[in-house]
Amino acid sequence: DIQMTQSPSSVSASVGDRVTITCRASQGISSWLAWYQQKPGKAPKLLIYSASSLQSGVSSRFSGSGSGTDFTLTIRGLQPEDSATYYCQQANSFPTWTFGQGTKVEIK
Amino acid sequence: EVQLVQSGAEVKKPGESLKISCKGSGYSFTNYWIDWVRQMPGKGLEWMGIIYPGDSDTRYSPSFQGQVTISADKSISTAYLQWSSLKASDTAMYYCARREMATKTVDSWGQGTLVTVSS
Repeated sequence: DIQMTQSPSSVSASVGDRVTITCRASQGISSWLAWYQQKPGKAPKLLIYSASSLQSGVSSRFSGSGSGTDFTLTIRGLQPEDSATYYCQQANSFPTWTFGQGTKVEIK
Repeated sequence: EVQLVQSGAEVKKPGESLKISCKGSGYSFTNYWIDWVRQMPGKGLEWMGIIYPGDSDTRYSPSFQGQVTISADKSISTAYLQWSSLKASDTAMYYCARREMATKTVDSWGQGTLVTVSS
């Protein structure tokens, strides 16, 4: 099974800062990596798919990069509404998904 | 508009059975896979399994195989997740989600069903 390791588990940053979250796969997954944002009591929301493609309607402050085993989600110009937990998800081998353990982003 | 509407919150006792639902609308229900995802209190997302309502092809995560049953009734555009004997450890939020095959991601989520198992 492919394991996904996210870091950090939490981050506290100020409005306007740049935040970077990393996700490492235990084996190569090409670019089959997505990032989701989840706010308390809500379903996750897709931000990035195929490692670097921005989902329609998502702010361009979010960007993704990487391929193979190492991936990054970057939030530029952090806003108060970005306070949430972020998850990576691999989908390399149908039908199995594996999620990272999540990164909680807090605003200072 | 694509919508997945899940059944309401449930409170059950250990050993009881339960079946929760996820009704799709706004699209051809038989042409998209439906995933089920668990989120235990304060924890992350776990993929449980998937069903293709068109032919009821069902796959499970090894972690959930034998613990739950996923099914679908295409005549009423509804997918189900069921337990025959609940445990306290089944307490969680359960989400259904429509899988977008081109991107291998979710393009629509249900609102979630909270299942609480307590004596």
